Formats: sequence, C-alpha cells, structure tokens
Amino acid sequence: GENVEQHPSTLSVQEGDSAVIKCTYSDSASNYFPWYKQELGKRPQLIIDIRSNVGEKKDQRIAVTLNKTAKHFSLHITETQPEDSAVYFCAASRALTGGGNKLTFGTGTQLKVEL
Amino acid sequence: GAVVSQHPSWVICKSGTSVKIECRSLDFQATTMFWYRQFPKQSLMLMATSNEGSKATYEQGVEKDKFLINHASLTLSTLTVTSAHPEDSSFYICSARDLLDSRNYGYTFGSGTRLTVV
Repeated sequence: GENVEQHPSTLSVQEGDSAVIKCTYSDSASNYFPWYKQELGKRPQLIIDIRSNVGEKKDQRIAVTLNKTAKHFSLHITETQPEDSAVYFCAASRALTGGGNKLTFGTGTQLKVEL
Repeated sequence: GAVVSQHPSWVICKSGTSVKIECRSLDFQATTMFWYRQFPKQSLMLMATSNEGSKATYEQGVEKDKFLINHASLTLSTLTVTSAHPEDSSFYICSARDLLDSRNYGYTFGSGTRLTVV
C-alpha cells in the first residue's frame, strides 16, 4: 500500500518568512496530492491540491510542487502570518482512477509562525 | 458544497460500554465512506472503508469485531466502538467522496468525534 513520509515534524518561522514542507510517497500509481491544514480538535481543511499531470500549482501565498519521477511533493507558504500556525498534512491517493480510493496521510508538520 | 454531518462531536463513556458515531452526507450520495482515527499529535490513520450495502474493508491491525461499521444507505454510515476501553480514546473522523464534486475530488470530512473512555 501507499506510504507517505513528511518532513519536518515541526517548523518554526518568523512572520513574513517562507515555510516549506516536504513529502514523499511510495505508490507510483498515486495521482492526487492534497494538502490539509488542521487546527486542534477540528476537521482537516483542504488548502491546495495537485494532480499528477501538473508540476506546480499556486494559490495566492500557497504553492505546491510535484516531482513524479522522484515521488515527492512540497508545500510552500510565503509571507507567513500568525494565523498560518497549525498542523499541516500532506496526502496521496489514486483518486482519479476510482471512487473508492482512500487518502493516505503524511505524519504531519506543526507550523508555528512567531511574531 | 458537499457537507458531511458527524455526531456526536464528543462523548465520554464508561469502560466496557459501546458508542455509536454517525456520519451523514447532507447533500450528496456517499457511495464510499472512510473512517479515520487520530491520536493526539499524530496523523489520521485509516481504519476502514465502507461501501453502501456491502461489508466494510478494514485496514491491517484494526479489529473488525470491535469497530463495527454499517453503511446501510447512501447518506448514512455508522461506526460503533464496542466494549470500549481507555486505549480507544481518540478523535474519530469520517470522510466521504462526492464523485460529482470536481473541486477537490470529493473528499469531504465530518467534524470529528472526540471519544473519551473512562
């Protein structure tokens, strides 16, 4: 089955700096890679996702890059703000090839944006 | 957009009792429901995948007789934790796919249930 590794487990940045979180996956058939932000006791919230036929996607301060050959993808947050502080999870799925395909989550990154 | 309603949001039960958690898709048909468990400061771990009208598929290491999943309709799936013990205390969260939602490939999460077994 799919295995998703995520680094770092904790990340502390100064407000306004950039933050980068990296994930690797094992299943070459995975074709959908979402990123979630989760606040304590809440459901995961999708912040950005990317399909396997795209190398990069950007949405305002957030961007995701995908390297299919190396099987890794990264989340980039620029101009970080205190409200970006949360736990971030990457995930992988064969979503595009079947309705029953599950999401496998990475281990999570606790991001802290300091004033 | 797609909404999954999960109840209860939190529950405290005595050791040895059973607890039922419900997830309802409010505006779409959830052919498939995924059940996750999340221990403090850990990731979401898939427990099982349920398809409407058929038996759930459990992940390795998850006791199917302890975590009973029922997906009798396209809008309702339930997880029953039987004979709960303190080590079952966790955050349980469901996720359903709306295959007609092309925005995020349809993965919609419930709000989660915090289970505490005392």
